[in-house]
Amino acid sequence: AQSVTQLGSHVSVSEGALVLLRCNYSSSVPPYLFWYVQYPNQGLQLLLKYTTGATLVKGINGFEAEFKKSETSFHLTKPSAHMSDAAEYFCAVSDPGNQFYFGTGTSLTVIP
Amino acid sequence: ETGVTQTPRHLVMGMTNKKSLKCEQHLGHNAMYWYKQSAKKPLELMFVYNFKEQTENNSVPSRFSPECPNSSHLFLHLHTLQPEDSALYLCASSRTGGERYEQYFGPGTRLTVT
Repeated sequence: AQSVTQLGSHVSVSEGALVLLRCNYSSSVPPYLFWYVQYPNQGLQLLLKYTTGATLVKGINGFEAEFKKSETSFHLTKPSAHMSDAAEYFCAVSDPGNQFYFGTGTSLTVIP
Repeated sequence: ETGVTQTPRHLVMGMTNKKSLKCEQHLGHNAMYWYKQSAKKPLELMFVYNFKEQTENNSVPSRFSPECPNSSHLFLHLHTLQPEDSALYLCASSRTGGERYEQYFGPGTRLTVT
């Protein structure tokens, strides 16, 4: 079975500070992992994904995530937060049938 | 139009009304999905269609009735809803065929049941 846990439903950072959003997963098969971002009144937009190969994955808008099998984690980071990064972020894992399992989301606030 | 579109973007309906949500994808995908997004809860997968055939129905009440006439269009027919059905309804699409592909989402329909 697959599941995702996102620690911290709300994260606040100062503009220019490091962004770290945590995601831990459970998967009975080698995981495919995803981070999505949702801006107000919009759908989910893919930030990045891990399938196989390199464990450090780079995505759009300067975000990256590292797959750590030993820790069953896929944390999302960005070196320097921008005001436009304020949004809801969702981690997801997919199963072999391409069904996605989403976390409950983390709301990111960027303080000027 | 590009990507995944949904209409209407907002819908207010009474409990005795019948309405439909529409989703269209312009990505050439063969799988389409309906999700329900409620506050403080994970996205709930409602229905999955692969090549127009329904492959998943996650114990969704019969007052929600999906329809997929072709691989590009997906509908969600609504009737005699309850106030707890108020939520954001998201449509998504993806490729299929032995791999696990990312899903692309539409902007959603904000549904309010009064």
